[in-house]
Order: sequence, then structure tokens, then C-alpha cells
Amino acid sequence: EDQVTQSPEALRLQEGESSSLNCSYTVSGLRGLFWYRQDPGKGPEFLFTLYSAGEEKEKERLKATLTKKESFLHITAPKPEDSATYLCAVQGNDYKLSFGAGTTVTVRA
Amino acid sequence: DGGITQSPKYLFRKEGQNVTLSCEQNLNHDAMYWYRQDPGQGLRLIYYSQIVNDFQKGDIAEGYSVSREKKESFPLTVTSAQKNPTAFYLCASSQLYNEQFFGPGTRLTVL
Repeated sequence: EDQVTQSPEALRLQEGESSSLNCSYTVSGLRGLFWYRQDPGKGPEFLFTLYSAGEEKEKERLKATLTKKESFLHITAPKPEDSATYLCAVQGNDYKLSFGAGTTVTVRA
Repeated sequence: DGGITQSPKYLFRKEGQNVTLSCEQNLNHDAMYWYRQDPGQGLRLIYYSQIVNDFQKGDIAEGYSVSREKKESFPLTVTSAQKNPTAFYLCASSQLYNEQFFGPGTRLTVL
């Protein structure tokens, strides 16, 4: 069974204080690793797909990286509008997504 | 304006009542999915469909039913057999095996 563990559960940052979120996974044949952003009471918003170890993707202040066992989402110089829950999901050989519980990020001005 | 719509935004169910959640997409995606989200847990897959008139059970299908009569529509019925239906329900769609795009969600509460 595919498993995804995200840490920490919650992260409180000052504006401009860079940090990283972790997504550890076990999967039978990684087809893709996905990062989503979810605001309270709304559906997840797609951010990145990573397919192989060593791959990196960037979008504004966010950068996602992938190794064979984990992925990191780096937030550089965050702003209050980066406050959200960040979800990680893996897609294995059955092509279904398995989600982690998420990391809730709060950025204070 | 392409996207996924879900209705209603809020839904209240009485004991023993069946309710249906609507999901429509105009992205021309082949695959559609239903997830349930509970506080502190990851999204869990209820049902999915990769083609019209065909669907598969996910990890927590008991007490739920779906249909896929049109490519654009994938309604979910929460039956009285689902003993703990209070949750946030999310519909998603994708081109097969690619990233999934989500709707805004329906919050279901049992009275």
C-alpha cells in the first residue's frame, strides 16, 4: 500500500523567513509526485508534478525537489498570502493518488 | 472559462436520507474522481471513472454510489448506509494518469 507522510503538521513563519516542508513516501513504482495548495474551505489547487529523482520545479516563491524517498517544498521569503495547507500526493503503478495529511503554513506579517 | 463546478456548496442531511452531490467539468477530461476529506487526514478516494458508463470503487466506497452517463458529469449519492457522512467532499478530473484538478468542494453535515 502506498503511503505518504508530511511533516511538520503545522509551520508558523515570519514574513521573509524561508523554510522547507517534507513529504516522505513509499510507493510501488512512482509514476509522479504532486504538490497542491489548499486554502480553508476550498478545493486543492495544483502546483507541481515531479516524475524522477533529481527533478526540480519552481513557481514564484515555491520550489519543489524530489529524491527516491522524499520530496521537499521550499518556500523562499514567504509572504502572508503564502499561508495555506500544502498537500503532497504520490501516484503509483495503479495510477491512483495517495495523499498525505498536509502541512498548514501560517506566515505572519 | 474552463473548470470544475460542484453543487451545492453546503448540504445538510437528516438521518436515513439519501443525498446527491453534483460535479460537472468542461475541461474535456476523460477521468473523474470523488474524494472525502476529514480534519487531520489526507484525501481518501471514494469512486473514480476513466470513461463514460464505467466506474471503479476507491478505498472507501461503502455507503456511496455514482453514475457516469455523460463525460462532463459525475454525481455522487451518499446513501443512508454511510454511517458517518459528515465531511468535505471534493470532485476532481484529469486526462488519464495526469495531474488532477479539483472543484471547490461540498460540505455535508448530518443533522
